[in-house]
Amino acid sequence: DGGITQSPKYLFRKEGQNVTLSCEQNLNHDAMYWYRQDPGQGLRLIYYSQIVNDFQKGDIAEGYSVSREKKESFPLTVTSAQKNPTAFYLCASSISRGGGYGYTFGSGTRLTVV
Amino acid sequence: GQSLEQPSEVTAVEGAIVQINCTYQTSGFYGLSWYQQHDGGAPTFLSYNALDGLEETGRFSSFLSRSDSYGYLLLQELQMKDSASYFCAVRDDQAGTALIFGKGTTLSVSS
Repeated sequence: DGGITQSPKYLFRKEGQNVTLSCEQNLNHDAMYWYRQDPGQGLRLIYYSQIVNDFQKGDIAEGYSVSREKKESFPLTVTSAQKNPTAFYLCASSISRGGGYGYTFGSGTRLTVV
Repeated sequence: GQSLEQPSEVTAVEGAIVQINCTYQTSGFYGLSWYQQHDGGAPTFLSYNALDGLEETGRFSSFLSRSDSYGYLLLQELQMKDSASYFCAVRDDQAGTALIFGKGTTLSVSS
């Protein structure tokens, strides 16, 4: 079955460490997205990519980095520059630009700074 | 910039009908989408309206009025499993092709 796989499901990070969240899709979708979700805040856009080797910053890109070397993969690195990284991170993909056909989301990674 | 407004909470009883409103402000408009998210889970796509009017999918319907920058999600014959958060989302010129989401409406269905 096609879908999006995010790993790990739970991740603990020490202060000052970089961590990378994995996102892999086998839906043959061109576009992929990263969102951060905090309680009561909805989903906020971190980065998005429409095609391989291209990505754009979202509203809250500071302290994060991404790469898109393969169509199937869009990893997110949370750097030590991100001052408040504890959150639920969601990766999504879509077949069409703009979400007309709907996003498919992964099951998320819950990151906690310890 | 872009903004979306939706109520933070709605409560209802099983079998009832509930309407979740969404007003938006965007630079350009490319349709209004709705997503459902159960606690701790992934959001799932419910509907998309690009043109004015009502779209019906089973117990759920979604409405759009572009002139009023307004839409709503209508849930009929509510069931306990409909207890979840519901998000409206739009695309905006300033966000390229990505969706911008509202803060969500938490629906609690009681028996």
